[in-house]
Amino acid sequence: GAGVSQSPRYKVAKRGQDVALRCDPISGHVSLFWYQQALGQGPEFLTYFQNEAQLDKSGLPSDRFFAERPEGSVSTLKIQRTQQEDSAVYLCASSLGGTSGEETQYFGPGTRLLVL
Amino acid sequence: AQSVTQPDIHITVSEGASLELRCNYSYGATPYLFWYVQSPGQGLQLLLKYFSGDTLVQGIKGFEAEFKRSQSSFNLRKPSVHWSDAAEYFCAVGANSGGYQKVTFGIGTKLQVIP
Repeated sequence: GAGVSQSPRYKVAKRGQDVALRCDPISGHVSLFWYQQALGQGPEFLTYFQNEAQLDKSGLPSDRFFAERPEGSVSTLKIQRTQQEDSAVYLCASSLGGTSGEETQYFGPGTRLLVL
Repeated sequence: AQSVTQPDIHITVSEGASLELRCNYSYGATPYLFWYVQSPGQGLQLLLKYFSGDTLVQGIKGFEAEFKRSQSSFNLRKPSVHWSDAAEYFCAVGANSGGYQKVTFGIGTKLQVIP
């Protein structure tokens, strides 16, 4: 079966532009996560969805960042008025979704965002 | 809150040599531990994971890791490195956070393999 897919793979934006990054999780996966990976760093948690509900958005760096998953499948991460410090790889991950905590997250290839 | 330390930012080994990548974690309860590998321009691929049970965990591509609670470590090992193993390796710790797993990653160790 298909893994997690993300689009676009690369995005160049001028400072101040809005961008939208898409994530298609593995079919049937309840949980969906977004991470931000700055150059030379490990991924950092941004937000978590259980189906369509955004249960944790504690990692979103500012109110310019917004994520949604309206039908509990595809998710979009939107960044408004992009700044140079937003340049990073944005990774999406999904997992089956269970309350035990013993979950494995499967990652997409990421979207590399460069803000000029 | 949990944290992960990968003390080696960059490691170079000769092809065929053994490899050990270090990882130390900080977490109050029994952690969920992971090693992921990332090749240039690619996402993260899971190598292995520890949830409970046997502390020596076997993964894909000939990798293994050992959970040592007394040392708060989860080091990754491979007996003989291949050129295709050159990549960046991330150790991660997961914690059950109200019914879902919140994962914290280390900074990564970049592995270079020389002929």
